[in-house]
Amino acid sequence: GIQVEQSPPDLILQEGANSTLRCNFSDSVNNLQWFHQNPWGQLINLFYIPSGTKQNGRLSATTVATERYSLLYISSSQTTDSGVYFCANDMRFGAGTRLTVKP
Amino acid sequence: EPEVTQTPSHQVTQMGQEVILRCVPISNHLYFYWYRQILGQKVEFLVSFYNNEISEKSEIFDDQFSVERPDGSNFTLKIRSTKLEDSAMYFCANLLRTQLGGYTFGSGTRLTVV
Repeated sequence: GIQVEQSPPDLILQEGANSTLRCNFSDSVNNLQWFHQNPWGQLINLFYIPSGTKQNGRLSATTVATERYSLLYISSSQTTDSGVYFCANDMRFGAGTRLTVKP
Repeated sequence: EPEVTQTPSHQVTQMGQEVILRCVPISNHLYFYWYRQILGQKVEFLVSFYNNEISEKSEIFDDQFSVERPDGSNFTLKIRSTKLEDSAMYFCANLLRTQLGGYTFGSGTRLTVV
């Protein structure tokens, strides 16, 4: 089956720092998405990015389909960025990266 | 972004009881999915729907589970005889054919089996 691996599993940052989250896939990249699960458990769609680069404010994402990975960049992190970040390929989820941003 | 509505937001049930979780998809949807997330763990695929038929299901989706579209719009996930290990957050999701693309998730139903 499709394997989705995320790294790092946990990340602790000071407010204002930048970070890069990675997602590797065992299979071809199709419907690649990044989600943020907030402290209330809601899954928020960040990016639908089967290839290329997209930016939305302080967040951006890049998917290199030929090398089967995707990166999520968070710049100038804020405490509200805390939560778990999931990537999903063909609606199969990785285990997530738990991000904690400290004030 | 368009919303997917799930009800109830939280349900507590006795072990062995049947529960029905409901999802109202947004319009212009194509695929429809159910997922579960045990507390602190990953989001696990249960089943996908396309054209009112199950298109794919995981090994988790055994005979205890069923999905229906009882009134042509709402989708339901039924768990026939709940077990303690069914306690989890259950999400439904729709695929959007819009410029935004991708899948939109409902806010989830937290099921607690006691």
